[in-house]
Amino acid sequence: DAGVTQSPTHLIKTRGQQVTLRCSPKSGHDTVSWYQQALGQGPQFIFQYYEEEERQRGNFPDRFSGHQYPNYSSELNVNALLLGDSALYLCASSLVLTGNSGNTIYFGEGSWLTVV
Amino acid sequence: GENVEQHPSTLSVQEGDSAVIKCTYSDSASNYFPWYKQELGKRPQLIIDIRSNVGEKKDQRIAVTLNKTAKHFSLHITETQPEDSAVYFCAAPLRSARQLTFGSGTQLTVLP
Repeated sequence: DAGVTQSPTHLIKTRGQQVTLRCSPKSGHDTVSWYQQALGQGPQFIFQYYEEEERQRGNFPDRFSGHQYPNYSSELNVNALLLGDSALYLCASSLVLTGNSGNTIYFGEGSWLTVV
Repeated sequence: GENVEQHPSTLSVQEGDSAVIKCTYSDSASNYFPWYKQELGKRPQLIIDIRSNVGEKKDQRIAVTLNKTAKHFSLHITETQPEDSAVYFCAAPLRSARQLTFGSGTQLTVLP
């Protein structure tokens, strides 16, 4: 689990603004997933990137977008922020999935986003 | 819909006692079941996981059991200690092996 790094750790934004969160996966991992964790809830899957493409998406609006770079690092962008977007945003890294076998994922420390 | 149900939502035990948290899942194709521990203000940390080719896995005081027929899996913590106090989440790769669906969490409190 060590090695997944995220930035920034905390940030405050105003409604309507845009935010970019960044993640570097664990060394040797090539797949990055993003999760949103609201207070008192479990992490909710946003999307996953592999080979610089979005491979899977959860039930999130297209205000949430992402990118993966050739070095496997990733960004999560959220446009037109709403109060309800306040949450802990977790980056998770893993190796590419093969077959139907779930892969172990490791979370970064997260980025705490507060929208006011 | 496809989901993971986790019970109980809160659990208090005396130090030294055992704690059991149970999860059920809906997708019979799921074959990987991790458990995460999350302390206040921290990220979820993987504590143990199990794949469907085994029915039980143990790591010191922590064990996970899996019943694929009934589609449920459980976390067992023996000889609990105050530092075991945290929120525990189960998860399963529903819908797709590419994403984990998490349970709603169990707040475990170990009383000294």
